[in-house]
Amino acid sequence: DAGVTQSPTHLIKTRGQQVTLRCSPKSGHDTVSWYQQALGQGPQFIFQYYEEEERQRGNFPDRFSGHQYPNYSSELNVNALLLGDSALYLCASSILGTGDGYTFGSGTRLTVV
Amino acid sequence: KNQVEQSPQSLIILEGKNCTLQCNYTVSPFSNLRWYKQDTGRGPVSLTIMTFSENTKSNGRYTATLDADTKQSSLHITASQLSDSASYICVVRGTGGSSASKIIFGSGTRLSIRP
Repeated sequence: DAGVTQSPTHLIKTRGQQVTLRCSPKSGHDTVSWYQQALGQGPQFIFQYYEEEERQRGNFPDRFSGHQYPNYSSELNVNALLLGDSALYLCASSILGTGDGYTFGSGTRLTVV
Repeated sequence: KNQVEQSPQSLIILEGKNCTLQCNYTVSPFSNLRWYKQDTGRGPVSLTIMTFSENTKSNGRYTATLDADTKQSSLHITASQLSDSASYICVVRGTGGSSASKIIFGSGTRLSIRP
């Protein structure tokens, strides 16, 4: 049974570029949450998707957007990249209504130069 | 403001020794508290979860305690092993409102085990 799969594992982009990160949730999970984790910090909530809709959003600018597909997989898009966007981006899947029983992926390490 | 604070920020101990990590929170009302282990470059993995009515929960060499009155939790690791080197993150979930935004992560304690 596959857990949460994220791709790519590492990525280097230039300031001003756009990036798309991908996440496949754990089998049976229908909800995907995205987090940004700066070095030495705890994860910060970006947004959560369920039924292809953004349900909740953290304190992140509109440059951060997402999508969820009918198969529950999800994408995180970041436009106009800034140096400060360099971080580990974590995807967590869960079953809606079961609280915080999250399963995390291994993350995508994004470096903006 | 809902916060989760962990101490120490980092800790180095010798293999075989015990250690205790601390977590203080102000999240209210409170639903549950989890401790996660995060290896470098990997996603967090849940170690324990406790509701306000639970005082202690064990998972192998990991024992978590919770004092809901003082809003403090600790994670005790016994007979440490080299593989315990990781960041340990305390995560507190509040109740009410939207669930995801009520989940507050601490900054973690970076534990290094030396041979």
